[in-house]
Amino acid sequence: GEDVEQSLFLSVREGDSSVINCTYTDSSSTYLYWYKQEPGAGLQLLTYIFSNMDMKQDQRLTVLLNKKDKHLSLRIADTQTGDSAIYFCAGGSYTGGFKTIFGAGTRLFVKA
Amino acid sequence: GAGVSQSPSNKVTEKGKDVELRCDPISGHTALYWYRQSLGQGLEFLIYFQGNSAPDKSGLPSDRFSAERTGGSVSTLTIQRTQQEDSAVYLCASSLLSRNTEAFFGQGTRLTVV
Repeated sequence: GEDVEQSLFLSVREGDSSVINCTYTDSSSTYLYWYKQEPGAGLQLLTYIFSNMDMKQDQRLTVLLNKKDKHLSLRIADTQTGDSAIYFCAGGSYTGGFKTIFGAGTRLFVKA
Repeated sequence: GAGVSQSPSNKVTEKGKDVELRCDPISGHTALYWYRQSLGQGLEFLIYFQGNSAPDKSGLPSDRFSAERTGGSVSTLTIQRTQQEDSAVYLCASSLLSRNTEAFFGQGTRLTVV
């Protein structure tokens, strides 16, 4: 079945860049997403990229997609303590209806 | 409503009892999803509704789990004869049409089976 994998933890110093990596198995994924979950809060969409793109930049966020290797990354420039959260990678595809498969989430710790 | 609303926010139940979890999606959103988030785990897909029909029920863990959606709006996830391994946060999300460019999540229902 479809699978999305990502590392569980990442620790960075404030001001450094964070890079969160993700691999997925479903080559029919048409959308790739990054969601953020802050402590005690629900998931919120950070950004998404269509599968026919290889890069998307949105302020401090850069998403890179290597479709051949089924690898997605999220880079956060100038990481702040407020960026501490769990980041979920997800892939969406049409399989008799649109379904989104999420990874386990990467917990980002930002040290002051 | 302004966002996806789930109720109750917390539910403690005894093993063997049935529970119903409710989701009110954003008005006008035709797609509705149920996910389960166990402690330290990622999101586990349970079921997806397009309107009132569920084209994909593949994620339901057992026949104790069922879900329905009426009027293209409110959805109820029912767990019969709850077990301790059912303890998790149950998240509901909705999106406009079936183009899931953004799924809006509710705050979840934390279910604890004792």
